Amino acid sequence: DQQVKQNSPSLSVQEGRISILNCDYTNSMFDYFLWYKKYPAEGPTFLISISSIKDKNEDGRFTVFLNKSAKHLSLHIVPSQPGDSAVYFCAASPTGNQFYFGTGTSLTVIP
Amino acid sequence: DAMVIQNPRYQVTQFGKPVTLSCSQTLNHNVMYWYQQKSSQAPKLLFHYYDKDFNNEADTPDNFQSRRPNTSFCFLDIRSPGLGDAAMYLCATSRQKETQYFGPGTRLLVL
Repeated sequence: DQQVKQNSPSLSVQEGRISILNCDYTNSMFDYFLWYKKYPAEGPTFLISISSIKDKNEDGRFTVFLNKSAKHLSLHIVPSQPGDSAVYFCAASPTGNQFYFGTGTSLTVIP
Repeated sequence: DAMVIQNPRYQVTQFGKPVTLSCSQTLNHNVMYWYQQKSSQAPKLLFHYYDKDFNNEADTPDNFQSRRPNTSFCFLDIRSPGLGDAAMYLCATSRQKETQYFGPGTRLLVL
């Protein structure tokens, strides 16, 4: 049973616009959430994280929002750049030692 | 540079022939993970080591074993690979309750 879901397998955005990637989870014990970026033929690379005590975390062009009541988090990329084109994975952890991943969203930023 | 290294990047084995994938790290992280990722699916955690303590996921088949002889190295042994075991195998490391760092993965092909 998939505890972390990314319902949009793909997203296309114009360069300079905002990219919004969504993630839903079912386990209320999850208290730490991460976003990873993956290029072809490479392993996932950590992008940004948020703990359940916060509802927003920002790092440059990347902002993650957490809505605990809705069990939903989102990643905003502003402005989007062609180099952001990759697969983005959402992950969640109940303990900090076990991480559960979503199926990924493939982002294409169109120049 | 500190990193997570996986060898080989591509591994071809025969149906039923044991195969070992290796992972090493220079980050001195105490937790090491093995994930299996099939096409268009989420990375699935197989097991993790917290220091020398082995933690198996409940649904990881017995066909998959792991060894961690020291902090730097971790091995994934597939005793009798089946066609369904063809996948990308990702190794990751972390300090407890911190971000995971992934290796580039080993793509396993079973003939």
